[in-house]
Amino acid sequence: QSVLTQPPSVSGAPGQRVTISCTGSSSNIGAGHYVHWFQHLPGTAPKLLISANNNRPSGVPDRFSGSWSGTSASLAITGLQAEDEADYFCQSYDSSLSTWVFGGGTKLTVL
Amino acid sequence: QLQLQESGPGLVKPSGTLSLTCIVSGGSISSTTYYWAWIRQPPGKGLEWIGTSHHSGSTYYNPSLRSRVAISVDTSKNQFSLRLSSVTAADTAVYYCARHLEYFGELLDGWFDPWGQGTLVTVSS
Repeated sequence: QSVLTQPPSVSGAPGQRVTISCTGSSSNIGAGHYVHWFQHLPGTAPKLLISANNNRPSGVPDRFSGSWSGTSASLAITGLQAEDEADYFCQSYDSSLSTWVFGGGTKLTVL
Repeated sequence: QLQLQESGPGLVKPSGTLSLTCIVSGGSISSTTYYWAWIRQPPGKGLEWIGTSHHSGSTYYNPSLRSRVAISVDTSKNQFSLRLSSVTAADTAVYYCARHLEYFGELLDGWFDPWGQGTLVTVSS
């Protein structure tokens, strides 16, 4: 059971917009600790998509964006493309556990 | 461009010690602002942070693993290592190494980037 909760799967057609939620608690996201998002294709190195809630590293398309409110954060992907099909997970810090924590991951299927 | 690559045995016997090395290329492991981390993912489960270390010797470990884990940084070889003792089948996982970055000088709000591609370690007799 991951500390940060994500839906197991989401799907969308090419060109559509999808969002992936990351729900935490008052000791992590709700405590103001930043949320970071990663894209992961099995067998490869996870790739940073969003840092500190809503910052895109150089090279990440602006189709990817992050937001945060209360004890939850979200990753939005607009203009879905076939190449976006991958697993996505969130990461933050939990001050009660004194550990960096992750979401369980969400598999995005592009229909 | 910084790249990380894990190496080590893919099979460890129960009660033995798991030892992995992460080779860092394209940048210096001695950079003041960089920390170095190990993360793992058991089959079918979520990611778990194992620990983070700085070349100065500062280390942070997951409390659930602290009694069994050690991370060290070798600046002469530009690599860092993980040792996990008294392993059981529950330690079977894909192990990732990663650079751990601060956010405005605060490690707690930092993230992991880049990551290695991961290496599967199976604990079995």
